[in-house]
Amino acid sequence: SQQGEEDPQALSIQEGENATMNCSYKTSINNLQWYRQNSGRGLVHLILIRSNEREKHSGRLRVTLDTSKKSSSLLITASRAADTASYFCATDATYSGAGSYQLTFGKGTKLSVIP
Amino acid sequence: NAGVTQTPKFRVLKTGQSMTLLCAQDMNHEYMYWYRQDPGMGLRLIHYSVGEGTTAKGEVPDGYNVSRLKKQNFLLGLESAAPSQTSVYFCASSYLLGTVSYNEQFFGPGTRLTVL
Repeated sequence: SQQGEEDPQALSIQEGENATMNCSYKTSINNLQWYRQNSGRGLVHLILIRSNEREKHSGRLRVTLDTSKKSSSLLITASRAADTASYFCATDATYSGAGSYQLTFGKGTKLSVIP
Repeated sequence: NAGVTQTPKFRVLKTGQSMTLLCAQDMNHEYMYWYRQDPGMGLRLIHYSVGEGTTAKGEVPDGYNVSRLKKQNFLLGLESAAPSQTSVYFCASSYLLGTVSYNEQFFGPGTRLTVL
């Protein structure tokens, strides 16, 4: 079952503009992560935010987390054509008994940055 | 470091045939995962492993088996392939940082499987 749901499903912007993607989830989490997937490639980890954090930055990326609303947003500032990719949020489902750490991925937002 | 590698990259099977997908990682990670990605469905976990010799079922395990005989390798087997198993398969690995929940996953490039 999908825990995270990204919104919008697709987003098209001009180079230089900012891109904002949202993720909503259903149950309590330890952390939330964002991944990027270029066409035909594997996923690449972008940023992780813990449940006790509200905002995190990494280069042109800014992630916010609102645990009361069970939502997160990913902002990419000054977008470039190379940012064209699908972006997924993933939530941590920790099974303390098994000691395993699984991620549940959303369906992704497809971002197109037009030069 | 090669990171996470997968073989083969592409494969076409006929219904009923069997095959094994190989995943290898050189980062000494404890945890390894197999996902499938279908259009509009995101990634779904098939099986995972928390260490050498241990495996467990994920969200969509039916029709698949796995083995982790060596820490660096995680094999995904299809005993009797069905058209519904046409998908892109991704392997991933991750580690624990002490006792802190920290589950950044490192992904392989994927295997595109078509079952006719």
